[in-house]
Amino acid sequence: EDQVTQSPEALRLQEGESSSLNCSYTVSGLRGLFWYRQDPGKGPEFLFTLYSAGEEKEKERLKATLTKKESFLHITAPKPEDSATYLCAVQFTSWGKLQFGAGTQVVVTP
Amino acid sequence: DAGITQSPRHKVTETGTPVTLRCHQTENHRYMYWYRQDPGHGLRLIHYSYGVKDTDKGEVSDGYSVSRSKTEDFLLTLESATSSQTSVYFCAIATGALYEQYFGPGTRLTVT
Repeated sequence: EDQVTQSPEALRLQEGESSSLNCSYTVSGLRGLFWYRQDPGKGPEFLFTLYSAGEEKEKERLKATLTKKESFLHITAPKPEDSATYLCAVQFTSWGKLQFGAGTQVVVTP
Repeated sequence: DAGITQSPRHKVTETGTPVTLRCHQTENHRYMYWYRQDPGHGLRLIHYSYGVKDTDKGEVSDGYSVSRSKTEDFLLTLESATSSQTSVYFCAIATGALYEQYFGPGTRLTVT
């Protein structure tokens, strides 16, 4: 069965303390891997799409990378406003079906 | 902002009553999706649509039906609500060559 696993489940960081989140998958025929940010009470907000192994995307303090079986979301020098749940999803069909991981809840304290 | 609205945003209903949730988009996207989000399960696909009157099931479709009579509206109906359908429901649209999905603000549904 296709699976998407995110780790850790929760992460508590001091402001400025860089860290990485992991998303591993067993999907065959990957068409794309997506990262989302979700704030409490809101819908997921699109961050990045990664297509192929070796690809990297950056946005402010966030950088996403992709290998053949996992992706990392690096948070560099985080600020309290980076506190959120980060979701990873993989796409393996031609019509956009996404399989989501359970998410990593990140809390950044001043 | 992908121009997606959901209504109602909150609803409390009783077991056995029918409930319809509405997703409205303003940008003429072909693909639309309904998900539910529950603690410990993440986001799971209920149904999706690939055009007017064209819909198909996702992984958790039992107890749900959908309709799409206009491009801009995608309706999710719980024919007879059960407590297990208490959840937060998100609508999404897909755009771009890789069907990047953008989500609405969600509807929190409580079935008592």
